[in-house]
Order: sequence, then structure tokens, then C-alpha cells
Amino acid sequence: KAGVTQTPRYLIKTRGQQVTLSCSPISGHRSVSWYQQTPGQGLQFLFEYFSETQRNKGNFPGRFSGRQFSNSRSEMNVSTLELGDSALYLCASSTGTVTDTQYFGPGTRLTVL
Amino acid sequence: DQQVKQNSPSLSVQEGRISILNCDYTNSMFDYFLWYKKYPAEGPTFLISISSIKDKNEDGRFTVFLNKSAKHLSLHIVPSQPGDSAVYFCAASVGGSNYKLTFGKGTLLTVNP
Repeated sequence: KAGVTQTPRYLIKTRGQQVTLSCSPISGHRSVSWYQQTPGQGLQFLFEYFSETQRNKGNFPGRFSGRQFSNSRSEMNVSTLELGDSALYLCASSTGTVTDTQYFGPGTRLTVL
Repeated sequence: DQQVKQNSPSLSVQEGRISILNCDYTNSMFDYFLWYKKYPAEGPTFLISISSIKDKNEDGRFTVFLNKSAKHLSLHIVPSQPGDSAVYFCAASVGGSNYKLTFGKGTLLTVNP
């Protein structure tokens, strides 16, 4: 079974631009969560989508948004990029049951110049 | 405010010895705790979890201990192997859920042959 895939793996943007990251979950998984990893803050939860609806949300500004499609693929968008948005963005998928294990993708490394 | 803290950024042990990774938390609402392992260029991989109704959970070479009164948990790896060298993240959640995880900043474990 293929794992969680994230595209692109690396991305360089400049301040003020916007960016869209994509996550394809494991086949059959209906939940996708997004996390931001930075050296200073560690891994922080952004949001979780289940069956095309945002089910959980972390404490990030509205510039960070996401969506999920009917095939469970998810996209994350960051508008008006800031230098501090430079991070590794990880997505994780699971079946959607609250006790089910999350499987992480390799991440997208975003650099904001 | 870091609700989950891993105070040791790194730990080095000899192959065959015990590795002990520590984690402290401040939020008394946390009732489910997990450990993830992360290799470079890969996403975190789930290792082991423990519910707050237990004080110990074992899975092969990995054992997690929970001390609720001290708000402290630890991961023991016995015996340690070079392949265990990775960054270990402690995570916690509310409501026994695998979602909306709060992570520590991680501890880099190096197991020397």
C-alpha cells in the first residue's frame, strides 16, 4: 500500500506571495491533518479534515487555510507569506477514527525569502 | 507556552544499553500520550502510546512510563540498536484522541556501535 505523498517536496517563495501544498493520503483514509515544524516551535498542529470538512483546528492565523476533496486529497494554502512561515509542513492521514494511528508523509520544505 | 517539553535536545548511548527519553507536560487535560520517531527526510512514525488510565505500556523493546502526579512520561528502549538513532517526539492530546496532537520539540538519540 502506498504511503502518504506530499508535493512538492521543496518550495522557495518570496514574502507576500501565496503557496499551495498538496497531500495525498493512504488509500482508504478519510482524515488528513496538517502540521508545521520549525526549529523554534517544533511540530504544531494546523488543522484536520475529515470527509471534506474541517474537524479540528489549531491556533494559526487565517492566512493558513485548507480544504479536502471528495477523494480525500487535501491542499493547504498560505497567503501573504512571511519569513516566519519557512518550515517543514507535514501532513498525516488516518481512517478517521479518533484512536486510529496517523501516518505522516515526508513533508514539504517551504523557504520564504 | 510549551505544553509538552522535552528538555534534552540530544542523547547518546552505547549499543545494547538502555536509552531513556523524557518528556514533561503542563496541561492537566492531556489524557493520551504518544511517542513518534523521525528519520531525516521522512515523516514521523508512530512508536507507542499510553492512556492516562495506565502507568506503563510495553511493545517489544519499547516501554513508555507515565507518572501523572509528576506530569512526566518516559520512553525506555532496551536494548538500544544503531537503527534506533533518530529524533524522538513526545506528543499529547485531550479526549483520548490521536488528533490535534501537541508535540514536544524532540530529542535526537544517537546509538553508537
